[in-house]
Amino acid sequence: NAGVTQTPKFQVLKTGQSMTLQCAQDMNHEYMSWYRQDPGMGLRLIHYSVGAGITDQGEVPNGYNVSRSTTEDFPLRLLSAAPSQTSVYFCASTRSQGDTEAFFGQGTRLTVV
Amino acid sequence: TQLLEQSPQFLSIQEGENLTVYCNSSSVFSSLQWYRQEPGEGPVLLVTVVTGGEVKKLKRLTFQFGDARKDSSLHITAAQPGDTGLYLCAGGDDKIIFGKGTRLHILP
Repeated sequence: NAGVTQTPKFQVLKTGQSMTLQCAQDMNHEYMSWYRQDPGMGLRLIHYSVGAGITDQGEVPNGYNVSRSTTEDFPLRLLSAAPSQTSVYFCASTRSQGDTEAFFGQGTRLTVV
Repeated sequence: TQLLEQSPQFLSIQEGENLTVYCNSSSVFSSLQWYRQEPGEGPVLLVTVVTGGEVKKLKRLTFQFGDARKDSSLHITAAQPGDTGLYLCAGGDDKIIFGKGTRLHILP
């Protein structure tokens, strides 16, 4: 029972590089979301999706793109990495929008130098 | 914009002591959740409180939802080193938002 799987676990990027953080869930959950976690800042919502083909912005969307072509996958793209994007990124899913139990991946620790 | 304020930000106490941490908002929430996060892991749901005034118990942890559904508390009785971690409250209907968390350290 995999749940929510994020890859990679660790990544170092140079400023200006692009990359995609992968997130996949095998629970047939409709709602998926991306958060970043910084010291003292808690979890801040970047983007979320209520179903395949539908995405919306959270609190801190600038510098990130998402797409949701399938129910299972919700990749997060950094188009031109900046040091301010150094953070731990978590993907989460719930059965549907408004469901209260979120399942999280193990996180991706990203460093931009 | 809904916000969740958690206090205290840090708490370090001796094993066996009791403690309470808080989650407050100026907004009404249909429900609030408490998560616990350990280093290198994602948050894991502990409980959801739904009804104003509701009290839920999970072994030595007691969760309460305020009557007005704007705040919640987590009380731990006889804290143990295994309770160490980051405790996060969360809520929201359209999208789930989180407080900044209380980092709890239980000293043996």
